[in-house]
Amino acid sequence: NAGVTQTPKFQVLKTGQSMTLQCAQDMNHEYMSWYRQDPGMGLRLIHYSVGAGITDQGEVPNGYNVSRSTTEDFPLRLLSAAPSQTSVYFCASSRTQGTGNTIYFGEGSWLTVV
Amino acid sequence: GESVGLHLPTLSVQEGDNSIINCAYSNSASDYFIWYKQESGKGPQFIIDIRSNMDKRQGQRVTVLLNKTVKHLSLQIAATQPGDSAVYFCAENIFQGAQKLVFGQGTRLTINP
Repeated sequence: NAGVTQTPKFQVLKTGQSMTLQCAQDMNHEYMSWYRQDPGMGLRLIHYSVGAGITDQGEVPNGYNVSRSTTEDFPLRLLSAAPSQTSVYFCASSRTQGTGNTIYFGEGSWLTVV
Repeated sequence: GESVGLHLPTLSVQEGDNSIINCAYSNSASDYFIWYKQESGKGPQFIIDIRSNMDKRQGQRVTVLLNKTVKHLSLQIAATQPGDSAVYFCAENIFQGAQKLVFGQGTRLTINP
């Protein structure tokens, strides 16, 4: 059981480049989310999904796109990277019912935009 | 918008002492609250959570207190150990029935030998 897997672990982009952060979970969780964490800050919700084919915006969605074609995968796309998107990105998943101990986080993806 | 915040950004305690980390929240509709521990270079690690219909919950060496009257959450760590050094975040789930967390800024806990 791998849990929540994020790739890549580290990435450097030039301003204007595009890329996709991958997130996969093998726990058959309905809910998946993407958060970003800036230095000295807590995580902020970018986008989330309550099931395959359903996505919605979180607190800081601008500059990011998501899709949920399968239950397992929830990729985060940066269409035109900006220095303000330099951050650590965390993917999370959880089942439909439950509280905090049912939320699983990936190990993070460190993104630098120069 | 509503947000979760922390009173103290840093906290230093002696090894073996008890630690108390505080958090203020503003969303009265949140259905549960979570404390996370985050070590450098790692993702959030679940410590303990509490539902909004409770006021206290205990785990191993940790206790979470919830005061809904003043919208305050605290994490008590008993007999702190060097391995407790980390940044601690409180988070509230603002979307009932799903996972939609609002995190506080975090408190860095340092354990002095």
